[in-house]
Amino acid sequence: ETGVTQTPRHLVMGMTNKKSLKCEQHLGHNAMYWYKQSAKKPLELMFVYSLEERVENNSVPSRFSPECPNSSHLFLHLHTLQPEDSALYLCASSQDRDRNQPQHFGDGTRLSIL
Amino acid sequence: DAKTTQPNSMESNEEEPVHLPCNHSTISGTDYIHWYRQLPSQGPEYVIHGLTSNVNNRMASLAIAEDRKSSTLILHRATLRDAAVYYCIPISYNQGGKLIFGQGTELSVKP
Repeated sequence: ETGVTQTPRHLVMGMTNKKSLKCEQHLGHNAMYWYKQSAKKPLELMFVYSLEERVENNSVPSRFSPECPNSSHLFLHLHTLQPEDSALYLCASSQDRDRNQPQHFGDGTRLSIL
Repeated sequence: DAKTTQPNSMESNEEEPVHLPCNHSTISGTDYIHWYRQLPSQGPEYVIHGLTSNVNNRMASLAIAEDRKSSTLILHRATLRDAAVYYCIPISYNQGGKLIFGQGTELSVKP
């Protein structure tokens, strides 16, 4: 039980499809994050939300569209993705964005683009 | 953002202590030092963090050098379940919680 749940665990989609990744946290945290982990590359931050407001977009292409309807849920909407977008997408949450706060991660969604 | 240097890989024997080093010579005085690990097929897991003093928790100990230019994560008795990639991540006050992951150290544990 990590406290951060991501669904689905695996997703295969074509380049013209539209799909969404879901993240849910039951830790009462106020900050949520999306990270991308491509093969043989370090994890890289995509988006940061604080109190449901997007506070950072790390130069992510517009084909990735995040949504944070409330402090417990975070979505990543996907459309017209490219093969290089195949990766592990990880969600995390923390109490707030202070440097003293640890982040709690889900186990990710493994995305494959055909 | 402080740069970090960690060994690419390390080996340990089960039930022996493991010392995982990290060099962060460009760290600023107010940066916290965090350690995370990632087991195969899982998301990263928080291990421990500290500022200046050594820190202990149920998972590990963190020894921070007096000049703060390096730190060492100590696993007191390695188990097979500790085989993972370990990341040392300094975090400054202006990063807004952003974790910047490097390549980390891949720890293998032999029975």
